[in-house]
Amino acid sequence: EPEVTQTPSHQVTQMGQEVILRCVPISNHLYFYWYRQILGQKVEFLVSFYNNEISEKSEIFDDQFSVERPDGSNFTLKIRSTKLEDSAMYFCASSEQGYSFYGYTFGSGTRLTVV
Amino acid sequence: DAKTTQPNSMESNEEEPVHLPCNHSTISGTDYIHWYRQLPSQGPEYVIHGLTSNVNNRMASLAIAEDRKSSTLILHRATLRDAAVYYCILRDSGGGADGLTFGKGTHLIIQP
Repeated sequence: EPEVTQTPSHQVTQMGQEVILRCVPISNHLYFYWYRQILGQKVEFLVSFYNNEISEKSEIFDDQFSVERPDGSNFTLKIRSTKLEDSAMYFCASSEQGYSFYGYTFGSGTRLTVV
Repeated sequence: DAKTTQPNSMESNEEEPVHLPCNHSTISGTDYIHWYRQLPSQGPEYVIHGLTSNVNNRMASLAIAEDRKSSTLILHRATLRDAAVYYCILRDSGGGADGLTFGKGTHLIIQP
């Protein structure tokens, strides 16, 4: 079964450093998403991306965050200057279409630890 | 997004059916009902979705009340691998790349 692949599985970074989290969505999917989950809390939507631009973003997705699809396969989330509170699991997801009768496929996540 | 209400946790025995309820009394006529689950230390996983009619797939069944104000996810024969947090989420059929709004879900515990 097709999978969404995320790398690395775990990243440790110093506060103030930039990090890039990488995702390879399912090849025929057109919609891409990032979510995060702080330990013990709900899964939270960050941003959606379609046709090479951001479609929707949450309040969490401030100027410190950016997303990019640098080539035909990768989808990245960049955090410019990490803060301690950015420590969380970050999940990438993709969907074949944006209609609500399509499900999302999530990756296994990247655990980001900011020290 | 319209709100859903689920029990915080449920417990069941292995190899028995499990019925996970979800209330969504403010559902609109165009909202789809989606279910996802999250196994320990993994990302959410799509389970099933429906609009008005009951739905079956290889993972589960979804029973939707006639007034659509509630639904039930049915696992026909639970295994230890089904221990997870189950989320009931409404999505408007308007489409677009809207994000999913996860609640706290139901923590399903399976006893051997």
